[in-house]
Amino acid sequence: QVQLQESGPGLVRPSQTLSLTCTVSGVSISSGGYYWSWIRQHPGRGLEWIGYIHDSGSTHYNPSLKSRLTISQDTPNNQFSLKLISVIAADTAVYYCARGRSKVVTHFDYWGQGTQVAVSS
Amino acid sequence: DIQMTQSPSTLSASVGDRVIITCRASQSISTWLAWYQQKPGKAPKLLISEASTLESGVPSRFSGSGSGTEFTLTISSLLPDDFATYFCQHYNNYPVTFGGGTKVDLK
Repeated sequence: QVQLQESGPGLVRPSQTLSLTCTVSGVSISSGGYYWSWIRQHPGRGLEWIGYIHDSGSTHYNPSLKSRLTISQDTPNNQFSLKLISVIAADTAVYYCARGRSKVVTHFDYWGQGTQVAVSS
Repeated sequence: DIQMTQSPSTLSASVGDRVIITCRASQSISTWLAWYQQKPGKAPKLLISEASTLESGVPSRFSGSGSGTEFTLTISSLLPDDFATYFCQHYNNYPVTFGGGTKVDLK
């Protein structure tokens, strides 16, 4: 059974770096042609796709975040990570990791439970 | 970016009602559309892909239709477990974007 679990700090100071990790079980992130993604949900609002890392290691980011964002993978530990630099209050959201299906532009069939991140001094 | 507009934003309904949610894309997306259900404090759950393909395990009272710019999600007979927020998402190109959501609550 495919499962994803986010981990990381719940509070980040403005201008600092947000780092989150997604631990995947039930499937290898380095095979299958999936797009391992980050998505966030601002309080009371809709969903925003952040970016993905493919099992090949290629990445694609939302242009709105590209200058601040890095997504990487740790295949021995079956994890992938998000690093967002210079965070601001508008980065406060619930962050989800999710699996994108084997299609370059995709939708998401498995999600983590989400982790709340607040940006505040 | 392609804008996805859902209507209504809130829908009040009773158990047994037929519910229809609309999603409009700002440009044609063929049938590259997914629907999700989200309950409070939970992650979204994929219900439908390619506009009308029901995911495994999703009850048949859910159905999707549409192509191009206009799509609908229909719940044929609402059950108590269906009170939730529903989102559409296009995957025609990047960045993929989501609709603002439709909350289905109890009338």
